[in-house]
Amino acid sequence: GAVVSQHPSRVICKSGTSVKIECRSLDFQATTMFWYRQFPKKSLMLMATSNEGSKATYEQGVEKDKFLINHASLTLSTLTVTSAHPEDSSFYICSARTLRDTQYFGPGTRLTVL
Amino acid sequence: GQNIDQPTEMTATEGAIVQINCTYQTSGFNGLFWYQQHAGEAPTFLSYNVLDGLEEKGRFSSFLSRSKGYSYLLLKELQMKDSASYLCAVMDTGGFKTIFGAGTRLFVKA
Repeated sequence: GAVVSQHPSRVICKSGTSVKIECRSLDFQATTMFWYRQFPKKSLMLMATSNEGSKATYEQGVEKDKFLINHASLTLSTLTVTSAHPEDSSFYICSARTLRDTQYFGPGTRLTVL
Repeated sequence: GQNIDQPTEMTATEGAIVQINCTYQTSGFNGLFWYQQHAGEAPTFLSYNVLDGLEEKGRFSSFLSRSKGYSYLLLKELQMKDSASYLCAVMDTGGFKTIFGAGTRLFVKA
């Protein structure tokens, strides 16, 4: 299957700092990538849809100024959590859509904000 | 509204067969996915159904009935490593958004 990488896998930061998470499709080009967050024992919650070369589409209730998304190329999307707070601590997962519409997920990034 | 229902938990015995059901009501339909997710890890792709019928892939099979808004994932010859959450997800027709169910936690016992 298609491979999606995510970096970093874990990050611990102080409250008020910003954290950038990268999502890369390694062996295919992805015009669309998705960003999810997942709380323990809960399902994935879609945060935003990232389209290459255009602005991301955010889901209702997700602050676009807090969660900055950039889809600079067909293989890279980044999520920046700005001015992070402890309630932003979560498991952030990206996925990339292939031409056959299947989504492949990155390994996830566990963010802990102290 | 958008709604995907699947059982919260299931328990089965090693070597047995288990069927995990999923019902959905979505505004659009562009395919149904099943993913496996082990604790602390990201989901991994298992299957994709867009037409009615059964898709078989090794020990795993997935069935879809679009008229009934129903799918199931069938796991045969269960192994301990199959203990995981199984997520049912439906792709919407607009924007390729995928809506996930809450997942079914499967426990495989010896």
